[in-house]
Amino acid sequence: NAGVTQTPKFQVLKTGQSMTLQCAQDMNHEYMSWYRQDPGMGLRLIHYSVGAGITDQGEVPNGYNVSRSTTEDFPLRLLSAAPSQTSVYFCASNRQGGNTQYFGPGTRLTVL
Amino acid sequence: DAKTTQPPSMDCAEGRAANLPCNHSTISGNEYVYWYRQIHSQGPQYIIHGLKNNETNEMASLIITEDRKSSTLILPHATLRDTAVYYCIVRPSTGTASKLTFGTGTRLQVTL
Repeated sequence: NAGVTQTPKFQVLKTGQSMTLQCAQDMNHEYMSWYRQDPGMGLRLIHYSVGAGITDQGEVPNGYNVSRSTTEDFPLRLLSAAPSQTSVYFCASNRQGGNTQYFGPGTRLTVL
Repeated sequence: DAKTTQPPSMDCAEGRAANLPCNHSTISGNEYVYWYRQIHSQGPQYIIHGLKNNETNEMASLIITEDRKSSTLILPHATLRDTAVYYCIVRPSTGTASKLTFGTGTRLQVTL
């Protein structure tokens, strides 16, 4: 199993540009989440999903959209990038009722 | 979710036991204590969790005080590869592992 994969690994955007961060998992997990981590800080939850077609907001959802059309994929969209969105983004998944959340390697995003 | 307090940093000599404390004085009866670690900006990795009994697995031991207001993660024989940021997280048993609340953790430096 590849586990949780994220693409791209690095990305530089200009203010106002849009992009989609990709996340996929091959463990057939029902639940998936997106977090962001700013320098020297812990992770903060952006959005999460408990199954295909179901998403909900986390602690810091503003400026981000998500959708979950399949169990495997959970893309995160930045509609109009801002410098405040410069961060490392982690995707994670876990099975329903499971205690362990599995994290991807992260995407390092810089917005100029 | 209950708030946790951890020391910002600790040092440990290689081969010695690393004891990482966590205070969670406002923990509720149905809340678990989880530990994750993050090695050099990789995605966080699950270590162990417990409710009120002490727990041990191949990575670590978790000691929870009888009043459950604090806990200690023990790495019995720390190696250089254990250098990481360690996060203590409290989560309700009825909550989902998709919604973890990370603090700033303890940065453990293992030295020769």
